[in-house]
Amino acid sequence: SQTIHQWPATLVQPVGSPLSLECTVEGTSNPNLYWYRQAAGRGLQLLFYSVGIGQISSEVPQNLSASRPQDRQFILSSKKLLLSDSGFYLCAWSPGQRRETQYFGPGTRLLVL
Amino acid sequence: EDQVTQSPEALRLQEGESSSLNCSYTVSGLRGLFWYRQDPGKGPEFLFTLYSAGEEKEKERLKATLTKKESFLHITAPKPEDSATYLCAVQARNAGNMLTFGGGTRLMVKP
Repeated sequence: SQTIHQWPATLVQPVGSPLSLECTVEGTSNPNLYWYRQAAGRGLQLLFYSVGIGQISSEVPQNLSASRPQDRQFILSSKKLLLSDSGFYLCAWSPGQRRETQYFGPGTRLLVL
Repeated sequence: EDQVTQSPEALRLQEGESSSLNCSYTVSGLRGLFWYRQDPGKGPEFLFTLYSAGEEKEKERLKATLTKKESFLHITAPKPEDSATYLCAVQARNAGNMLTFGGGTRLMVKP
């Protein structure tokens, strides 16, 4: 069966510091991968998605970036965090080839102070 | 632009009191409508996918239905463990694999 991991689970960072969140998927190959952000009490906002290694599409212009160095690894980064970057970051995967359901990881709670 | 609106934002029920959650959507050609359950501090857990009007799916005390403009998540005789936020999302035919989410309904079931 497939499993999706995210780490760290919780992160407290000062404004202006860098960020690296990691997501890995087990038990599948060539998945589509997604990064979402969920602000308190709000729905999910798609940030980035990837259909393959090195292929990243951005949905929201901001100071975040994403990379996919390996087939089942997806990384969310920032060079300088803003207060507004605080939130709950979720990674998701879906099978390729027109299988649409997305499955979510446990999430990373980020607090920028 | 695809839009999803969920109502109510919050719902308090007594244990055993059945009710329905609403998901209204506007999309240029629906490929699929998805329901997820999210517990506090956790990632959403997939519940159902509905593809066409008239389709229904059930899982334990939950039943999801779909029309051309909205979906309902019916909860029959809920238990306290059904307390969670329920999220609805749509996928348009021309949107690749991307989902548009509603704001969710926070359900609280009291014993």
